[in-house]
Amino acid sequence: ILNVEQSPQSLHVQEGDSTNFTCSFPSSNFYALHWYRWETAKSPEALFVMTLNGDEKKKGRISATLNTKEGYSYLYIKGSQPEDSATYLCAPKRGTSGSRLTFGEGTQLTVNP
Amino acid sequence: DTAVSQTPKYLVTQMGNDKSIKCEQNLGHDTMYWYKQDSKKFLKIMFSYNNKELIINETVPNRFSPKSPDKAHLNLHINSLELGDSAVYFCASSPGQGGFETQYFGPGTRLLVL
Repeated sequence: ILNVEQSPQSLHVQEGDSTNFTCSFPSSNFYALHWYRWETAKSPEALFVMTLNGDEKKKGRISATLNTKEGYSYLYIKGSQPEDSATYLCAPKRGTSGSRLTFGEGTQLTVNP
Repeated sequence: DTAVSQTPKYLVTQMGNDKSIKCEQNLGHDTMYWYKQDSKKFLKIMFSYNNKELIINETVPNRFSPKSPDKAHLNLHINSLELGDSAVYFCASSPGQGGFETQYFGPGTRLLVL
């Protein structure tokens, strides 16, 4: 079982603020890292899948970076909007047989208008 | 046009009963999963099937039995329900079982055992 840590656990920002949060995971046998966005009362939706060290992905105002050597990924949101309020989950996967996604606890973001 | 659907959405039942949750995906995916969202809101994998074959079976009580009649369906049967089984159960699917494959989640089934 992977030890996946996300910080902070929760975050309140004002509309228009830019913010970022962290996902830490064991760097050994790294294969891929997934980011999901999970709105209250809905189901998780995929944001990014990242595989290479130094990868940077972007989707609108949301971007993510990956450092596989030190075992962390950052998710950035530029100019947060109330509709960005959600829990952001990361899930790394190891490149070993029988491996599966291990979800972190998530960072719960609330954007106040 | 729901991609991954689950029924029922809500399930309230008495301790000791047997119940099933159904999951269907119309995405043509080969791999399906069952997750449990525990009391701390973690999503934990329970089972995974690839082309109707069980590939992941986490440490789950054997009261939980998945069944995949075809690759578009993965049902979860729970025998002798206990209070601790109360949780939200999510079904998901992905094109294959590779680590870079995005998983698509169903809406969840909220199970309450009284």
